[in-house]
Amino acid sequence: DGGITQSPKYLFRKEGQNVTLSCEQNLNHDAMYWYRQDPGQGLRLIYYSQIVNDFQKGDIAEGYSVSREKKESFPLTVTSAQKNPTAFYLCASRGTSGYNEQFFGPGTRLTVL
Amino acid sequence: DAKTTQPPSMDCAEGRAANLPCNHSTISGNEYVYWYRQIHSQGPQYIIHGLKNNETNEMASLIITEDRKSSTLILPHATLRDTAVYYCIVRVEEAAGNKLTFGGGTRVLVKP
Repeated sequence: DGGITQSPKYLFRKEGQNVTLSCEQNLNHDAMYWYRQDPGQGLRLIYYSQIVNDFQKGDIAEGYSVSREKKESFPLTVTSAQKNPTAFYLCASRGTSGYNEQFFGPGTRLTVL
Repeated sequence: DAKTTQPPSMDCAEGRAANLPCNHSTISGNEYVYWYRQIHSQGPQYIIHGLKNNETNEMASLIITEDRKSSTLILPHATLRDTAVYYCIVRVEEAAGNKLTFGGGTRVLVKP
């Protein structure tokens, strides 16, 4: 089936460790996005990529890094510089022809202990 | 992108229509109105979008006022599975990212 996968669903890390969240899509979408969601809040954009080997900072990029070496993959690294990393992380992708909506993955809930 | 205002929560009876309002008084001429919903602990799901005309699909209807300063999402026959947070978003369909800016949304509780 076509879609977006994020793994794992739940992730626990110790404070001070970097952690990488996976996002894979087989929808042949050019654009991919990472959002962060805190309890009871809306989504905030961390990074986005419109094409392979290119990405842009979103509204809250500090403490995060991304790469886009392949069209289908857009991993997000939460670094130790991120002051409050515990959150629900959502990846999305979008086709870039026409006015296509974003498709979201199931999310990864990261807890830093 | 224009800002939107939605009520924080609303209840709806199962089987009845749910009418979700959204104000976007600063919307500009080239901005579309999008609706997404997010069921607890899942990723948001696209529902519908429109520019000027009313739109309908298998999930919902979107009514946009003539001045485009507000819109209403209608779920014609709400079911318990429609319990979710509903987000109204306005944005320009531009090449630079097509970013979505999510506000607080409306938490809809469908009751039996």
